[in-house]
Amino acid sequence: GAVVSQHPSWVICKSGTSVKIECRSLDFQATTMFWYRQFPKQSLMLMATSNEGSKATYEQGVEKDKFLINHASLTLSTLTVTSAHPEDSSFYICSASGGPAVRGYFGPGTRLTVT
Amino acid sequence: GQQVMQIPQYQHVQEGEDFTTYCNSSTTLSNIQWYKQRPGGHPVFLIQLVKSGEVKKQKRLTFQFGEAKKNSSLHITATQTTDVGTYFCAVPEYNQGGKLIFGQGTELSVKP
Repeated sequence: GAVVSQHPSWVICKSGTSVKIECRSLDFQATTMFWYRQFPKQSLMLMATSNEGSKATYEQGVEKDKFLINHASLTLSTLTVTSAHPEDSSFYICSASGGPAVRGYFGPGTRLTVT
Repeated sequence: GQQVMQIPQYQHVQEGEDFTTYCNSSTTLSNIQWYKQRPGGHPVFLIQLVKSGEVKKQKRLTFQFGEAKKNSSLHITATQTTDVGTYFCAVPEYNQGGKLIFGQGTELSVKP
């Protein structure tokens, strides 16, 4: 149990366009979802925390107007990268808490390439 | 905020040699988690340590949590090529349930 999916698994978009990434908890209700970003050869950096039905909390240095997070239900959170630029190219990973164990469950990640 | 230091950054070993990565925190931790990320993949949960001085084993992997709950280690005995990847420790941000702060990771390469 405690499966988290992400869609799409990879996406290539042109500079200036927006991209939406979905994170779903398939078999449990995720009270909180976390969005991480990982650049090549680097660690995971937390971007924001989203709670169902409330505004996301962003980490210092993360632009909330650029990375829009919506946690509309207990099983779905979305991250929209608005007006994407090449420097936004990264591996975006979500984590959902609320599963059977007291820890987060990670999705498989979305690899974004902005050309 | 919470920080955790992980060393070494890279480790290259010959197949059959042992490998260890270490994580240290300046503050007492409620728990520490370990993840493995294969090249091109996503982090996969390995284990969570909660108790002071805890030692857990998974086949050739041995995980330890320090007595003061400020440090932890992951030791792999007799590495194999399948062990290749980056190993991360992760600790919860204080009073921010579920929010994890990741160590810098140790990239392990194994030469056959």
